[in-house]
Amino acid sequence: AQSVSQHNHHVILSEAASLELGCNYSYGGTVNLFWYVQYPGQHLQLLLKYFSGDPLVKGIKGFEAEFIKSKFSFNLRKPSVQWSDTAEYFCAVNAENQGGKLIFGQGTELSVKP
Amino acid sequence: KAGVTQTPRYLIKTRGQQVTLSCSPISGHRSVSWYQQTPGQGLQFLFEYFSETQRNKGNFPGRFSGRQFSNSRSEMNVSTLELGDSALYLCASSGTIPRETQYFGPGTRLLVL
Repeated sequence: AQSVSQHNHHVILSEAASLELGCNYSYGGTVNLFWYVQYPGQHLQLLLKYFSGDPLVKGIKGFEAEFIKSKFSFNLRKPSVQWSDTAEYFCAVNAENQGGKLIFGQGTELSVKP
Repeated sequence: KAGVTQTPRYLIKTRGQQVTLSCSPISGHRSVSWYQQTPGQGLQFLFEYFSETQRNKGNFPGRFSGRQFSNSRSEMNVSTLELGDSALYLCASSGTIPRETQYFGPGTRLLVL
């Protein structure tokens, strides 16, 4: 069965530190990849997405992610986090034969200390 | 454009009751998907509707059902509620092309006592 794995359950960083959140998926075919963010008390928002083309994609608020097909990975990065980045981050995969179904990772809670 | 709206936002029910949740997609979107979010299981796919037809279904018991109307609005129903059904139920909508980006609503928080 298809699955998505996020390596870190809870990450604590100080402001200005660099961030990298890992995401791996298990599916051998074509996928669309997403990172969503859920700020405290708010709904899921799209951070960035990859459908095809340049494997390095840029999203909102200075986030970027790199799709490495050979590693089945789609890691999220930000060079310098801010306190306002405190949130839960979800990686999601949509496989080619699954219509609109998204399979989510378990989520990574990011706490940024001011 | 207005975002995805869900009603009600909060709901308290007792075991054995049934509940209906409603979702209005972004204007022009024809696909609606439902997800259940719990602390233990995370975000799990329930089902997807497109043009009033169920296009995909997750691994939930038959107590969970849904439908979509001609205006793309969708409802989700859970019958014979169990304590474990307590969760945040999220609706997401996307456009007419399959596998487009999904945009999520604020969710309905259901508490089963």
